[in-house]
Amino acid sequence: NAGVTQTPKFRILKIGQSMTLQCTQDMNHNYMYWYRQDPGMGLKLIYYSVGAGITDKGEVPNGYNVSRSTTEDFPLRLELAAPSQTSVYFCASSYHNRGQRDEQYFGPGTRLTVT
Amino acid sequence: ELKVEQNPLFLSMQEGKNYTIYCNYSTTSDRLYWYRQDPGKSLESLFVLLSNGAVKQEGRLMASLDTKARLSTLHITAAVHDLSATYFCAVGDRDDKIIFGKGTRLHILP
Repeated sequence: NAGVTQTPKFRILKIGQSMTLQCTQDMNHNYMYWYRQDPGMGLKLIYYSVGAGITDKGEVPNGYNVSRSTTEDFPLRLELAAPSQTSVYFCASSYHNRGQRDEQYFGPGTRLTVT
Repeated sequence: ELKVEQNPLFLSMQEGKNYTIYCNYSTTSDRLYWYRQDPGKSLESLFVLLSNGAVKQEGRLMASLDTKARLSTLHITAAVHDLSATYFCAVGDRDDKIIFGKGTRLHILP
């Protein structure tokens, strides 16, 4: 199992550009999450999904969009990049079922700089 | 809205000493997680705590959960340099969000 994979690893964007951060998991997890981590800070939840076709906002959703058309993939879209979106982005997945709440497995992260 | 607070945020300690990191949360939850992050790396799961009074141990780390007090602790016994890292607690809310604390940056001096 590859676990949770993210692409790209690094990216520099100009203000106003758009991009999609890719996230794929091969563990058949039903839950997936996107977080951002600013330097020296904790993780802030952007969006999450409890299953294919279902997404919901987290703590800091403004400026981002997501979709979940398959169990495996959970891409994060930045439409009009702003310097405030400079951060490290982590995707995570976990398995939830009645009475079972597994831990999150994290991808390696995407380091994004907007200038 | 669920809030998660960790303290201390920074901790410098000597090898061989014991210390405890605290994680408080603001609303009822049925699950709490502890993660470790090394500089420039991703997060690694340490413990999952799902019930009041749960206690889990792995090596020199022990985590416990008191759901009535909305408090979890991560206790470090006889610290060694390899435990230097940032430790995060995370709490699940009733809408299935998982919210993280700000993390505790632990530096263990030889």
